Amino acid sequence: QVQLQESGPGLVKPSETLSLTCSVSGGSISTSGNYWAWIRQPPEKGLEWIGSIYYRGSTYYNPSLRSRVTMSVDTSKNHFSLRLSSVTASDTAVYFCARLELLPGAIFPYYFDSWGQGTLVTVSS
Amino acid sequence: SYVLTQPPSLSVAPGQTASITCGGNNIGSKNVYWYQQKPGQAPVVVNVDRDRPSGIPERFSGSNSENTATLTISRVEPGDEADYFCQVWDSTSDHSYVFGTGTKVTVL
Repeated sequence: QVQLQESGPGLVKPSETLSLTCSVSGGSISTSGNYWAWIRQPPEKGLEWIGSIYYRGSTYYNPSLRSRVTMSVDTSKNHFSLRLSSVTASDTAVYFCARLELLPGAIFPYYFDSWGQGTLVTVSS
Repeated sequence: SYVLTQPPSLSVAPGQTASITCGGNNIGSKNVYWYQQKPGQAPVVVNVDRDRPSGIPERFSGSNSENTATLTISRVEPGDEADYFCQVWDSTSDHSYVFGTGTKVTVL
């Protein structure tokens, strides 16, 4: 059973860059068919997909955040990362990392089957 | 972009049936996934395109037709009190994942 754990600063200043890492255990980040994602949830609000990445480097970003998002994978450390630039108070949220698994016969992974516990990031001066 | 609309809240008595709807344009042509999220926890998938993942009680079932998908919880228990979100994969928008607005289910 794969497990995911987010880490990074809990407080970021406005206009700076938010950086988070998701460590994967119980499985390899390089497993064929596994994609990795970031999702966020502002306090008392719904879920928003930020982006996804495949271990070979292919990335897919939410069009509304694309200009500010960068995701990367480090296979040697079995983790993947998120950078969100020029943050404002509206980026305050719990950030989750998650796995998407490409099922047999599917053309793309369709849902998030494993999640990290989430980490709260507050944007404030 | 694709939009999924859910009722903000739903109250149900123990033992009764809860039906949570998720509205979207021609959602019946898509695979729909449902998540349960309890306070302070990560979401857990409870329905995968009309099927249940292993470990999810048979009381959770999904249906999908035309412009509405529905998650039905039969014989509701106090432990089912949570937020529920629907989700689809939107192949037309750069392989995006779209979540519904969420429904808070309260067990009376």
